[in-house]
Amino acid sequence: GNSVTQMEGPVTLSEEAFLTINCTYTATGYPSLFWYVQYPGEGLQLLLKATKADDKGSNKGFEATYRKETTSFHLEKGSVQVSDSAVYFCALRNYGQNFVFGPGTRLSVLP
Amino acid sequence: NAGVTQTPKFRVLKTGQSMTLLCAQDMNHEYMYWYRQDPGMGLRLIHYSVGEGTTAKGEVPDGYNVSRLKKQNFLLGLESAAPSQTSVYFCASSYLDRDTGELFFGEGSRLTVL
Repeated sequence: GNSVTQMEGPVTLSEEAFLTINCTYTATGYPSLFWYVQYPGEGLQLLLKATKADDKGSNKGFEATYRKETTSFHLEKGSVQVSDSAVYFCALRNYGQNFVFGPGTRLSVLP
Repeated sequence: NAGVTQTPKFRVLKTGQSMTLLCAQDMNHEYMYWYRQDPGMGLRLIHYSVGEGTTAKGEVPDGYNVSRLKKQNFLLGLESAAPSQTSVYFCASSYLDRDTGELFFGEGSRLTVL
């Protein structure tokens, strides 16, 4: 079946540090890949997505590239801010199927 | 725009009591979902609906029932609450596109069963 694996953290960084959150997946076919973010006390919201191999999704300084050869979709940001503190979820959706979420990675950014 | 609205936001129940969570969306989405979020387990799908009058089981359906009588509403019911159902519940909706359609989430409903 489909599955998503991501580092669970927590990840603690200083402001302006470089961020990488690893995400790998197992799926048949060509799923769409997503990163969702959950700020404290809120629901999840879409951060970025990629729908085919080699696509790069980007938003708010975050980027992730769909790598089919390594079945990965790692999230990166060059310089994190305190306001980026949140839980980040990697997810996939295969055609005609429901979303599959990873366990989430909690990020804390210290000033 | 309201998007996806869940009520209530917080509820405390005693074991054996029943309750209903209401989800309403104003985006005319076909698909609606109920998830539960527990520490270290991410999001798990309880039930979902692909259109008005339809429902289907997700990953963890036991102990829950759902109804989708109107396209904009998706109700999640607990007939006899158990402490294991203490969780944060999220409703979500999405477009008909079953490949790339993103999920839109409500703010969550925190349920505690004593």
